[in-house]
Amino acid sequence: QVQLVESGGGVVQPGRSLRLSCAASGFTFSSYGMHWVRQAPGKGLEWVAVISYDGSNKYYADSVKGRFTISRDNSKNTLYLQMNSLRAEDTAVYYCAKADSVGATTSKAALNWGQGTLVTVSS
Amino acid sequence: SYVLTQPPSVSVAPGKTARITCGGNNIGSKSVHWYQQKPGQAPVLVIYYDSDRPSGIPERFSGSNSGNTATLTISRVEAGDEADYYCQVWDSSSDHQGVFGGGTKLTVL
Repeated sequence: QVQLVESGGGVVQPGRSLRLSCAASGFTFSSYGMHWVRQAPGKGLEWVAVISYDGSNKYYADSVKGRFTISRDNSKNTLYLQMNSLRAEDTAVYYCAKADSVGATTSKAALNWGQGTLVTVSS
Repeated sequence: SYVLTQPPSVSVAPGKTARITCGGNNIGSKSVHWYQQKPGQAPVLVIYYDSDRPSGIPERFSGSNSGNTATLTISRVEAGDEADYYCQVWDSSSDHQGVFGGGTKLTVL
């Protein structure tokens, strides 16, 4: 079955960097687009970024554009989110999610989700 | 940027029908996805592409989308349906971005 396991979260000071990872198994990772979605404490879901199956297309939310970079290593079945210049408002649980089907990067739903990793930005 | 508007809360008695709306400018021209999230858990996709159900989602869950409103309908509501529900679309007007509604808390009375 599909498994997505996020890691790399923790407490970080404002302005610093952090890299999240998402280890995927149970499906052909290299065939699917992948998403990052976050949820601030007590708040709703916020889409962060998406990457195409081969890494050639990447799209970001305005709130993270220029600071965050989504990437993937299909040889390791792993998705990444490099987060730079972190701010207090980036504090959230970060989920990775798999697209519902192969094909176009956008318009897809997020069918499978990991359990999330908590990032806390605080001095 | 594209905005999705959901009611903050909806209440329904067990066995009745719950309808959760998601408003957006000409949302009928977009594909709408719906997610259920229970406390402390990751979201679960319950409806995609307006009205399709992923494997394992009960037939009690259905969706529609027309004009400026998409609707998630839950028939014969059960206590276990109590959760937050989020609609989601893709905004390709300026750059390709995912957009979530603010979420609706479904309370089963």
